[in-house]
Amino acid sequence: GEDVEQSLFLSVREGDSSVINCTYTDSSSTYLYWYKQEPGAGLQLLTYIFSNMDMKQDQRLTVLLNKKDKHLSLRIADTQTGDSAIYFCPWNTGFQKLVFGTGTRLLVSP
Amino acid sequence: DSGVTQTPKHLITATGQRVTLRCSPRSGDLSVYWYQQSLDQGLQFLIQYYNGEERAKGNILERFSAQQFPDLHSELNLSSLELGDSALYFCASSVGDSAIYEQYFGPGTRLTVT
Repeated sequence: GEDVEQSLFLSVREGDSSVINCTYTDSSSTYLYWYKQEPGAGLQLLTYIFSNMDMKQDQRLTVLLNKKDKHLSLRIADTQTGDSAIYFCPWNTGFQKLVFGTGTRLLVSP
Repeated sequence: DSGVTQTPKHLITATGQRVTLRCSPRSGDLSVYWYQQSLDQGLQFLIQYYNGEERAKGNILERFSAQQFPDLHSELNLSSLELGDSALYFCASSVGDSAIYEQYFGPGTRLTVT
């Protein structure tokens, strides 16, 4: 079925790099997204990648896509305390809905 | 601020009751999506409306219903509430009817069923 698997929790120290991983059961999505949910707030689109790309860099963010392994990762360089949030990697199925997982809670300690 | 508004922010009610959650999309957006976020289930898509018509259904219970009005605001009705319905309910809007368009999320309504 449709599913997204993410580890539930990641803890890093300020200044380190963070890598958040996602694995999909289906790789038919045209776009793959990273959404960020800060404490007490709604989700916000962080970045996205086309399914025909392997990598996308956007300032401190690097997205890597391995379509063969159905694996998507988000690397945050020089992680800051303001990056503490829940990160979701939904994919769109049938163009009509996004499938989200449980999200990965990133905790950045000073 | 995403431009999507949701009311109320918090709602506490008893089992068996019915509540209505309201969402106003961003100006110009025609699609409204409803999601339920709980600790054990993560973020689950419930239903989507585009320009007043239902477009897609997800894991929405029969006790739940939604509609989108001519002014494009949307309401999610939850009835015969159970303890397990306690969750954060998010509304999101986008310009098109496809999920490939960026979705802008509201701040959510926290529902507590006691």
